[in-house]
Amino acid sequence: NAGVMQNPRHLVRRRGQEARLRCSPMKGHSHVYWYRQLPEEGLKFMVYLQKENIIDESGMPKERFSAEFPKEGPSILRIQQVVRGDSAAYFCASSAGEGYEQYFGPGTRLTVT
Amino acid sequence: KNEVEQSPQNLTAQEGEFITINCSYSVGISALHWLQQHPGGGIVSLFMLSSGKKKHGRLIATINIQEKHSSLHITASHPRDSAVYICAVTGNQFYFGTGTSLTVIP
Repeated sequence: NAGVMQNPRHLVRRRGQEARLRCSPMKGHSHVYWYRQLPEEGLKFMVYLQKENIIDESGMPKERFSAEFPKEGPSILRIQQVVRGDSAAYFCASSAGEGYEQYFGPGTRLTVT
Repeated sequence: KNEVEQSPQNLTAQEGEFITINCSYSVGISALHWLQQHPGGGIVSLFMLSSGKKKHGRLIATINIQEKHSSLHITASHPRDSAVYICAVTGNQFYFGTGTSLTVIP
């Protein structure tokens, strides 16, 4: 029973490019959460999704960032026109439902040059 | 002021010592989580609790809803417990503490 998978584990993008981060939840989990950890800072909530629905995006920057969790396939966090300040570790977690324990993926470390 | 405050920020202990990390929060919550982040960056969920006490091996987590306070205890600490321990709460929103960096010296 594989855990939460994230890919890529490391991603390097030049300023202005797009970054796509993927998260495959644990088998049987239909809820996905994305978190960002900036260098030397704590974790910050970004967005909470169920299949085909965004439940809470209160932590998402208003521009350039979007997330989806389609009926089939992984959840995608998309960052358009990346800037140096987007360099961070992006973690996703999944759960079986609201209020259930979350299981974290290994993270994607994004570096913007 | 942060919605979730942890103390201490840094903690160094000798192997075998009993360790306590504290977490206070100022918002209404449905659950409180204790997470462990190892030097490599990976995050493990240790506990999710909304009342009382939970125990896994040498780890114990307690929560006092009235006082809005939780503690994480590690008994018989070991160098492999060295990590950052993060308190997080879920309610209307998700809030994280800044973490407690624990180093256990052999």
